Order: sequence, then structure tokens, then C-alpha cells
Amino acid sequence: AQSVTQLDSQVPVFEEAPVELRCNYSSSVSVYLFWYVQYPNQGLQLLLKYLSGSTLVKGINGFEAEFNKSQTSFHLRKPSVHISDTAEYFCAVSSDYKLSFGAGTTVTVRA
Amino acid sequence: GAGVSQSPSNKVTEKGKDVELRCDPISGHTALYWYRQSLGQGLEFLIYFQGNSAPDKSGLPSDRFSAERTGGSVSTLTIQRTQQEDSAVYLCATRQGGTDTQYFGPGTRLTVL
Repeated sequence: AQSVTQLDSQVPVFEEAPVELRCNYSSSVSVYLFWYVQYPNQGLQLLLKYLSGSTLVKGINGFEAEFNKSQTSFHLRKPSVHISDTAEYFCAVSSDYKLSFGAGTTVTVRA
Repeated sequence: GAGVSQSPSNKVTEKGKDVELRCDPISGHTALYWYRQSLGQGLEFLIYFQGNSAPDKSGLPSDRFSAERTGGSVSTLTIQRTQQEDSAVYLCATRQGGTDTQYFGPGTRLTVL
């Protein structure tokens, strides 16, 4: 069975500052990893994914994530956030084509 | 349309009534999923359809929940005898066969009074 732990439930950050959202997973098999973003009153939008290959994955809106197999982590980063990045972020692991999600991290960007 | 659509966007019902939630997938996507998002439980997998195979119902919380997918396209999630704990946002996602990415609809917010 797979599980996903997002270590921070809320992350306040100032505009133009960097942000890192932490995600750890547990799995006994190879996994596919995803980060989704949910803006208020909207569905989930894919930010980026790791399937194989390079451990540094670049996504939309300037986000990137690094897969670390030894630490079973898939942390999300952005070097400079905007007000529009205020949203909830979900880390997910896929097994048998089904997604298991973390509890989510709410990012609030302040001017 | 270009994306996954769901209807209604909001549904308010009384305890004990049945409700039907609809999902229209992206054209050509053979896999369809239902998830539930609630404050206490986060995002939970409910059911998964893949082509003509028998659906994976392992996430359905009780026998009051059922879903069907007609003609490999539109799907309906039915909740019978709704309870207050069924209040949540129900999200549909679809995936093109042979790929790994699920695309989500905007969700249906269900409120059971």
C-alpha cells in the first residue's frame, strides 16, 4: 500500500520569496509521483509529475520538484512566488493507475 | 468540450434523499475516476472505470454508493439515502489509455441537510 505525507499543512510566504512544500511517500514498489494545485472553488490542476528519468522535474508556473528515492521524498519548490500562487497543493502517488493523495498544503502568499 | 465537466456544480439535498452526480469525460479518455474531497478525510478514491473492464469499486464507502458508465463515456455517481457525512466535493477525473496523468473536473459540492 502507498501513503503520502505532506509535512506542512499551512505555509505563509511573502511575495517574491521562495517556497518549498515537503512530501514524503511510502511504497514498496516503483511509483509515479505528482503534484496538483487546487485554486479556490476549482478542481485539481496538474503542476508536474515524475515517472522516470531525471530526478529534477520542471512543471508549469515556474514550479519544480526533485525526486529522492533514498529519502522517499518529492519536494516542490518555486524560487519566487506570486500572489496568484495562493492555493492548496496536493502531492500524490500512483499505483495501479489510482492516486493516493497527501492531506494538502495551503500556501498563502502575502504582499 | 476541452476538459472534464461535472454537473451540477452544487447540490443541496435533505437527509435520506437519493442524488445523482454526472461526469462528462474528455473525449477519447478511456479511464474515469471518482474521488471525494471532504474536510475530515481529504481526497479519497471511490471508483475507477477502465474501458469495458469491471470497475474497481474498492474505495466506495458503503453500499449506498454506486456508479455506472454508459457507453464508455458519461458516468453517473449515485448516492442513496444520503447522510450528513456524505457532504463533500465529488471530483471526477479521466485519463487517456496508456498514459499516467489524470485530468480533473471542477467537482460537485454536495450538501446534505
